[in-house]
Amino acid sequence: DVKVTQSSRYLVKRTGEKVFLECVQDMDHENMFWYRQDPGLGLRLIYFSYDVKMKEKGDIPEGYSVSREKKERFSLILESASTNQTSMYLCASNPRSASYEQYFGPGTRLTVT
Amino acid sequence: RKEVEQDPGPFNVPEGATVAFNCTYSNSASQSFFWYRQDCRKEPKLLMSVYSSGNEDGRFTAQLNRASQYISLLIRDSKLSDSATYLCGTERGGGADGLTFGKGTHLIIQP
Repeated sequence: DVKVTQSSRYLVKRTGEKVFLECVQDMDHENMFWYRQDPGLGLRLIYFSYDVKMKEKGDIPEGYSVSREKKERFSLILESASTNQTSMYLCASNPRSASYEQYFGPGTRLTVT
Repeated sequence: RKEVEQDPGPFNVPEGATVAFNCTYSNSASQSFFWYRQDCRKEPKLLMSVYSSGNEDGRFTAQLNRASQYISLLIRDSKLSDSATYLCGTERGGGADGLTFGKGTHLIIQP
């Protein structure tokens, strides 16, 4: 079974703090993704990466950056957290193949106060 | 922006009934479609992939209507455990570009 893990299930940070969300997958997948999920807005793609050190903007990249130094690890960085970044953050991965099927991690519920 | 639309519900359905809901998409070039199931406070999990006209897995059937640009999910003999939110997704662009999701349809199976 594919396993995608995220460093924290719940996180509370203060406005202005730098926040790191970590994601690790153990299936040697090339592609990794960060989404956020909000009530009434659904799942929205923040950033994705198709290889080590490669990154691409998704639909809502503003206020975020990412890092992919190793194939299995994809980090989401909030340089200066704001209250409107309070959300559920979901990491996903899939192999570089014809399949678009994505495997999600358990999510990190981030609250910025 | 490629859009995927779903009726948010909730759909309240008695146990044992058949329920169906649709998902419409705006990009006529989309080739791959997915239904994910998401339980409360859990991550989405893949339920079914649809690459051609349809797919069937036990009580679940997904059908694709390219002319009208929608996919449907049919659940037969519904169980209490089918209560969840069902997300529809399609590819954003190339193979590594991720998925665009609808906002989900909330299904409640009542005893």
